Amino acid sequence: EDQVTQSPEALRLQEGESSSLNCSYTVSGLRGLFWYRQDPGKGPEFLFTLYSAGEEKEKERLKATLTKKESFLHITAPKPEDSATYLCAVQAPGANSKLTFGKGITLSVRP
Amino acid sequence: DTEVTQTPKHLVMGMTNKKSLKCEQHMGHRAMYWYKQKAKKPPELMFVYSYEKLSINESVPSRFSPECPNSSLLNLHLHALQPEDSALYLCASSQGRARALAKNIQYFGAGTRLSVL
Repeated sequence: EDQVTQSPEALRLQEGESSSLNCSYTVSGLRGLFWYRQDPGKGPEFLFTLYSAGEEKEKERLKATLTKKESFLHITAPKPEDSATYLCAVQAPGANSKLTFGKGITLSVRP
Repeated sequence: DTEVTQTPKHLVMGMTNKKSLKCEQHMGHRAMYWYKQKAKKPPELMFVYSYEKLSINESVPSRFSPECPNSSLLNLHLHALQPEDSALYLCASSQGRARALAKNIQYFGAGTRLSVL
């Protein structure tokens, strides 16, 4: 069974204090790993997808990396508007596009 | 544009009511999904439609009945729900079950907040 574990559960940062969010996974052959951002009461917003170990994607203050066992979402000099829950999900081959989500990491950035 | 539109945004219903949730996308996507999300939990897959055919039903109770009238529209019909069914219901779409990896990306709507009294 595919499993996704995200840590820490919650993270509080000062504005400008860089940090990383972790996503560990076990899957029978990774078809893709996805990062989403979710604001309270809203739907998840797609951020990145990574397909193979060593791959990196970047967008503004966010950078996602992938190894064979985990992914990191690095946040450089965060701002209060980066506060949200960050969800990691994996997709296995032949899984009919089913995503298995982790429980999410709630990030709070204080001004 | 990666917009998935869900209506209504909020819905309150009694346990004997019948209501429907609606989801629409105009991106030409051929796969559409219903997820259920409880507070502080990740989304849980309920149904997947691929090319207007139901391809996955994650053992969802029959009081939830999905329908895909065409490639742009997805409905979720609700009947005789229980209070524990109160949750955020999310619709998503992706280009389809193609070999190209970029077509796996699921785009979500803002959700319908459902309260069952």
